[in-house]
Amino acid sequence: KAGVTQTPRYLIKTRGQQVTLSCSPISGHRSVSWYQQTPGQGLQFLFEYFSETQRNKGNFPGRFSGRQFSNSRSEMNVSTLELGDSALYLCASSLEALTDTQYFGPGTRLTVL
Amino acid sequence: GENVEQHPSTLSVQEGDSAVIKCTYSDSASNYFPWYKQELGKRPQLIIDIRSNVGEKKDQRIAVTLNKTAKHFSLHITETQPEDSAVYFCAAKGSGNQFYFGTGTSLTVIP
Repeated sequence: KAGVTQTPRYLIKTRGQQVTLSCSPISGHRSVSWYQQTPGQGLQFLFEYFSETQRNKGNFPGRFSGRQFSNSRSEMNVSTLELGDSALYLCASSLEALTDTQYFGPGTRLTVL
Repeated sequence: GENVEQHPSTLSVQEGDSAVIKCTYSDSASNYFPWYKQELGKRPQLIIDIRSNVGEKKDQRIAVTLNKTAKHFSLHITETQPEDSAVYFCAAKGSGNQFYFGTGTSLTVIP
């Protein structure tokens, strides 16, 4: 099976812009989670989607949002970008639940100037 | 919310020795504890996990122990090899159904 894929791999944006990142899970996986990884804050859970619904949410402001499509593909959107949003954004997919083995994608490296 | 602390932040061991990484958590309702390995420039990979109804789990050279009373869990790697060199993250799934991660341990295995 193909692994988790994320597009684009690299992005450069300026403050105030918005960005959309995409994640395609492993075929058959219905749960998709998003994470932010920075040198200062480490790995942080953003949210999880299952059956086109946000099922769980981390402690991020409303500028961070997402959605999931009927084929389980997911997108994450960040509006009004801030310098501090520069990070590696990882998505992970699992069969059904957060406690199933999560398989990570390669990440999208976002740089906000 | 949950708070996960991980120690040490860096660890160097000789090839063949054991490595131990420890994590503590604060939410007594946390029920799932995975460990991830992330090699430089690569994606995190689950190496082992443990649930709150189990005290120990082993997979070849890797083991995890959980002490619910003390609220800590540890990763044990025996007979370390150079390819074990990576950053290791612990995590806990709290009562709020989200993951909280430790700050990572950079393990270097010296040949």
